Amino acid sequence: EAGVAQSPRYKIIEKRQSVAFWCNPISGHATLYWYQQILGQGPKLLIQFQNNGVVDDSQLPKDRFSAERLKGVDSTLKIQPAKLEDSAVYLCASSLSLAGGPYEQYFGPGTRLTVT
Amino acid sequence: DQQVKQNSPSLSVQEGRISILNCDYTNSMFDYFLWYKKYPAEGPTFLISISSIKDKNEDGRFTVFLNKSAKHLSLHIVPSQPGDSAVYFCAASGQTGANNLFFGTGTRLTVIP
Repeated sequence: EAGVAQSPRYKIIEKRQSVAFWCNPISGHATLYWYQQILGQGPKLLIQFQNNGVVDDSQLPKDRFSAERLKGVDSTLKIQPAKLEDSAVYLCASSLSLAGGPYEQYFGPGTRLTVT
Repeated sequence: DQQVKQNSPSLSVQEGRISILNCDYTNSMFDYFLWYKKYPAEGPTFLISISSIKDKNEDGRFTVFLNKSAKHLSLHIVPSQPGDSAVYFCAASGQTGANNLFFGTGTRLTVIP
C-alpha cells in the first residue's frame, strides 16, 4: 500500500514570496490533515478535511494560508505572502474517516520550507 | 498552551535495557492517545495507541500505560534496540468528532549498542 505522498520535499523562498505544497493521501482515506512542525516542537494542526469539506481550520492563519481539496483526494496548501516565521516542516496526514473512529493518522515525509 | 507535555527532551539507554518515555496531558477531554516515532527527514510513523477505557496496551516490544487520574501515559520499550533510536512524540485526541491530534514536543531516544 502506497503511503502519503508530498511534494516538494524541500523549498527555499524569500519572504513575501508565495509557495504551494501538494499532498496525495493513502487511497481510500477520507480525512486529510495539514500540520506545521516548527523546529523543536511537535506538529500543530493547521486544517482538516473530510472528503472535500473543511472540518477544522481554526488554527490556519487565513490571512496568508489557504488550502483546498477540491475532488476529495489530493490537497494543496498555499502560503502567500510568506513570512520568516513560516519556516517549518509542513506535514500532510490521512486517516480512514471520522465516523466510527478515532483512527490512526498516517503521515507523509513532509516539506521543509525555509523562508529567508 | 501546551496541552500535551513531554518533559524529557532526550533519553539514552543501553541496548537490551528498558526505555521508558513519559507524557503528561492537561485536557481531561482527551480519550485517545498515540505514540509516534520519527526518524530524521521522515514523517512521524504510528507506533501504538490506547483508548481511555484501557490502562495498558501491548504490541510486541512496545507497551503503553495510561493513568487517567494522573493524566499521564508512558511508553515502555523492552528490550531496546539501536534501531529504536528516534524522536518519539506523544499525541492525544478527544471525541470532538474532528479527531484532531495534539502533540507533545518529543523525546529523542538514543539506544547505545
